[in-house]
Amino acid sequence: SQTIHQWPATLVQPVGSPLSLECTVEGTSNPNLYWYRQAAGRGLQLLFYSVGIGQISSEVPQNLSASRPQDRQFILSSKKLLLSDSGFYLCAWRPGRITEAFFGQGTRLTVV
Amino acid sequence: AQKITQTQPGMFVQEKEAVTLDCTYDTSDQSYGLFWYKQPSSGEMIFLIYQGSYDEQNATEGRYSLNFQKARKSANLVISASQLGDSAMYFCAIISGYALNFGKGTSLLVTP
Repeated sequence: SQTIHQWPATLVQPVGSPLSLECTVEGTSNPNLYWYRQAAGRGLQLLFYSVGIGQISSEVPQNLSASRPQDRQFILSSKKLLLSDSGFYLCAWRPGRITEAFFGQGTRLTVV
Repeated sequence: AQKITQTQPGMFVQEKEAVTLDCTYDTSDQSYGLFWYKQPSSGEMIFLIYQGSYDEQNATEGRYSLNFQKARKSANLVISASQLGDSAMYFCAIISGYALNFGKGTSLLVTP
């Protein structure tokens, strides 16, 4: 069966520090991968998605970047965190174009 | 680009009653899919129901049904016989191409 792993669950980082959040999917190949951010009490904002290795689509210009170095690995990064980067980050995967997305448990990031 | 609008920030319903959560969408694509997800306070995203743009019948999954009105571009979620455990955030989402976009969500509170 397929599973998605996202870590860490919580993270407290100082302003100006780098960020690396990792997401991996097991039990499938060539998944569509997604990164979302959710501010407190708000909706999910699509940040990046990828349909293949090395391919990244950016939805919102910001202080973040994404990479897909392997088929089932999706990484969200920042060189210097801002206070406004705080939020709940969710990774998701989909096996095909018109199918539901399966989400990781999320990372709660607090930038201080 | 596709867009989802959820106009109800918060809703109340009494236990055992039915409730309708509104969702309208905007897309120029002919082929698309609509989803509803539930997010309890734990933060996990739980898939509830899916409706394809070419599906002629409204989708149903247990106590959940999707009232799909294609001409009006609406995809409302109906929860029948509400339970206390239904209290959560509910998100409508649209997939067209590869981007999966969510609305801002509706907070549902089920009261005894």
